[in-house]
Amino acid sequence: AQTVTQSQPEMSVQEAETVTLSCTYDTSENNYYLFWYKQPPSRQMILVIRQEAYKQQNATENRFSVNFQKAAKSFSLKISDSQLGDTAMYFCAFMTLDNNAGNMLTFGGGTRLMVKP
Amino acid sequence: DAGVIQSPRHEVTEMGQEVTLRCKPISGHNSLFWYRQTMMRGLELLIYFNNNVPIDDSGMPEDRFSAKMPNASFSTLKIQPSEPRDSAVYFCASSRSLRGTYNSPLHFGNGTRLTVT
Repeated sequence: AQTVTQSQPEMSVQEAETVTLSCTYDTSENNYYLFWYKQPPSRQMILVIRQEAYKQQNATENRFSVNFQKAAKSFSLKISDSQLGDTAMYFCAFMTLDNNAGNMLTFGGGTRLMVKP
Repeated sequence: DAGVIQSPRHEVTEMGQEVTLRCKPISGHNSLFWYRQTMMRGLELLIYFNNNVPIDDSGMPEDRFSAKMPNASFSTLKIQPSEPRDSAVYFCASSRSLRGTYNSPLHFGNGTRLTVT
């Protein structure tokens, strides 16, 4: 079974600064995907970024980028130029491509990020 | 596309009552997932369906919980009888998936906040 761990329950950052959220995972598989989801106070779950395990290049989406260290099983999210709208819960998630899993996600416990003006 | 639609948005009920949560997945998606979110346990997968068939219900907490997917455009999660410890936010998510491949990320509904008094 896979596990996903987010060791930072809460974090804060000043507006316009950079913040990094940590995520580690445990798996014996070689082919999988990793995701970061954002959950603002509205409760909606929004996909922020995803990374394919077979790709060495780190994924980037505008101000969001990841540092994917496959050997270390680490998948951190970096938010640059933080904005007030980035205030939310952030969930790291793992998805196996095992034939029987059907795109099932395993989530970490979440990190609550507050961006301060 | 309207996205994944869940109803009701909020549900308040008394202990012992039956509760039914509803979900309409995105048209064309063939996988549907029910998640429960609590402060203590984070996001937990309860059950998921592929092509309307339940694939893994090992996350369903107990026999009081049941889920159905009578057709590709509708699913229900029922709790009977409900208990205060069932209070949580319940998310439905859908995706388009084929075995062993990744086709689309999970798209989440806005969730149903259930309060059992």
